[in-house]
Amino acid sequence: QLQLQESGPGLVKPSETLSLTCTVSGGSISSSSYYWGWIRQPPGKGLEWIGSIYYSGSTYYNPSLKSRVTISVDTSKNQFSLKLSSVTAADTAVYYCAVATIRRFDYWGQGTLVTVSS
Amino acid sequence: EIVLTQSPATLSLSPGERATLSCRASQSLSSYLAWYQQKPGQAPRLLIYDASNRATGIPARFSGSGSGTDFTLTISSLEPEDFAVYYCQQRSNWPPEFTFGPGTKVDIK
Repeated sequence: QLQLQESGPGLVKPSETLSLTCTVSGGSISSSSYYWGWIRQPPGKGLEWIGSIYYSGSTYYNPSLKSRVTISVDTSKNQFSLKLSSVTAADTAVYYCAVATIRRFDYWGQGTLVTVSS
Repeated sequence: EIVLTQSPATLSLSPGERATLSCRASQSLSSYLAWYQQKPGQAPRLLIYDASNRATGIPARFSGSGSGTDFTLTISSLEPEDFAVYYCQQRSNWPPEFTFGPGTKVDIK
């Protein structure tokens, strides 16, 4: 069974870049069976898909965030990463990494709270 | 962009009662809809995929139905641990973009 764990700073200053890493265990990030994705949830609100990356390296982003998001994969470390630039307080959220088998997210990390504040 | 609408926003029921949650899509999804349960402080958990298939380890009291634009999640008899927020989710054909519904909170009456 796949297990995912997010890591990264819990506090980011406005206008800076948020960077998170998801470490995958129990399977290979190079598998052609999965999309690796990031989802966020502002406090007290619903879920928002940020973007996904396929094993081939192809990336797909939420159109509303596309200009600020980069997702990448490091196969040597079995990790994938999220970078979100020019953050504001509206980017404060719990950030989840997850793996999708075609059309649904089967496994999720526990989530990490990132607060944007000076 | 496909938009998902969930109703009701809140459902107040007692343990043992039947819960019926609705998810409506702005365009046809065929049968490619998933449902998740989220409890406070926890990550979402996959319940149902492809509209009607229970994920591994999900109790039989959870069932999903529907196709096209109208989908339903039914909890046949609510257990105390079922009080939570439920989200529906779809992935568009191309490009593969995912969207979630706004959620339905099932709380104790």
